[in-house]
Amino acid sequence: LAKTTQPISMDSYEGQEVNITCSHNNIATNDYITWYQQFPSQGPRFIIQGYKTKVTNEVASLFIPADRKSSTLSLPRVSLSDTAVYYCLVARPQAGTALIFGKGTTLSVSS
Amino acid sequence: DVKVTQSSRYLVKRTGEKVFLECVQDMDHENMFWYRQDPGLGLRLIYFSYDVKMKEKGDIPEGYSVSREKKERFSLILESASTNQTSMYLCASSTGLAGLSGANVLTFGAGSRLTVL
Repeated sequence: LAKTTQPISMDSYEGQEVNITCSHNNIATNDYITWYQQFPSQGPRFIIQGYKTKVTNEVASLFIPADRKSSTLSLPRVSLSDTAVYYCLVARPQAGTALIFGKGTTLSVSS
Repeated sequence: DVKVTQSSRYLVKRTGEKVFLECVQDMDHENMFWYRQDPGLGLRLIYFSYDVKMKEKGDIPEGYSVSREKKERFSLILESASTNQTSMYLCASSTGLAGLSGANVLTFGAGSRLTVL
């Protein structure tokens, strides 16, 4: 299982772009990279997933370099409502895979 | 639109009681998971299941057991609740196969906050 490392916390202001990087040095060939967002007293919810290069959806972008040993979640123009804990998770797409979360990154957005 | 349902949002139990936490998903997912979340410790995997009657231990299985008699239902059992099991418990499910819904993307329930007195 690929171990992930993220910064414990980050601070930002409204309207700024925020980039959160996750290190996963022992990622396996078949592993996907998935990011989740969690608000207090709620379960995490899916933000974005990628395998290589760049993926973009209506919420965020995910940048994955060629060696895939890290990934960066990019949140454009954050607002106060983006204050949450963000987790990256690396796992292969098969049944029976333990999905282990790291400690996550607490993002605090101020006005 | 609710896809993963946890039967109880809040529970208060006494030390030594047997506790059942129920989770049901309607997405026909193979995988189901139980996590607990505590301040400063993040999400920790207790048990998971990849098929009916199949189960695997996660990082912290001690003091817990699970049951999966039907594909859509995954139960977490505390045989004899203790105060150190006071926590938020989160159930999730995923399909292991890569596809339109993503590769092993987890869908979580709302959580069950258990207090053991």
